[in-house]
Amino acid sequence: KAGVTQTPRYLIKTRGQQVTLSCSPISGHRSVSWYQQTPGQGLQFLFEYFSETQRNKGNFPGRFSGRQFSNSRSEMNVSTLELGDSALYLCASSSVRGYNSPLHFGNGTRLTVT
Amino acid sequence: GDSVTQMEGPVTLSEEAFLTINCTYTATGYPSLFWYVQYPGEGLQLLLKATKADDKGSNKGFEATYRKETTSFHLEKGSVQVSDSAVYFCALTPSNTGNQFYFGTGTSLTVIP
Repeated sequence: KAGVTQTPRYLIKTRGQQVTLSCSPISGHRSVSWYQQTPGQGLQFLFEYFSETQRNKGNFPGRFSGRQFSNSRSEMNVSTLELGDSALYLCASSSVRGYNSPLHFGNGTRLTVT
Repeated sequence: GDSVTQMEGPVTLSEEAFLTINCTYTATGYPSLFWYVQYPGEGLQLLLKATKADDKGSNKGFEATYRKETTSFHLEKGSVQVSDSAVYFCALTPSNTGNQFYFGTGTSLTVIP
């Protein structure tokens, strides 16, 4: 079974631009979550989607948004990029929303904002 | 709020040494606890989990026991190998927030031959 696939692996953008990251979950997984990983803050939860609906949202500004499609694929968008948005963005999927259901992570998209 | 506190790194050990990485948590209710491992250039991989008090999670020689009385979930391995070099993350998911995970800051482990 294929794992979680994130595209692209690397992105370089300039301040003020916007960016869209893509995530394809493991087949059959309906829950997709996004995390931001930085050396200073560690892993921080962005949001979770299940059945095309946002179920949870972390403490990030409105510039960060996402969506999920009917095939469970998800996209994350960041508008008006700031230097501080440089990070590794990780997508994770799980088969159910139960609290003891582990997350399966992709390899991430490395975003650099210059 | 819910949170995880992990032992600061980096940790450097010789091959075959004993490993302990401390993890304590703060949470209401009965969270599930996890250890994830991240190898260079990769995403996180689930290492082990425990879903209730006194459960012991184990995988690839690593073990961790869910201790509710001390709110801890320390990771141990009796004999580390060079291939265990990675960053280890302790994490919890509360019992009432679906799939929102809270991660520790990670502990970098380097095992030298």
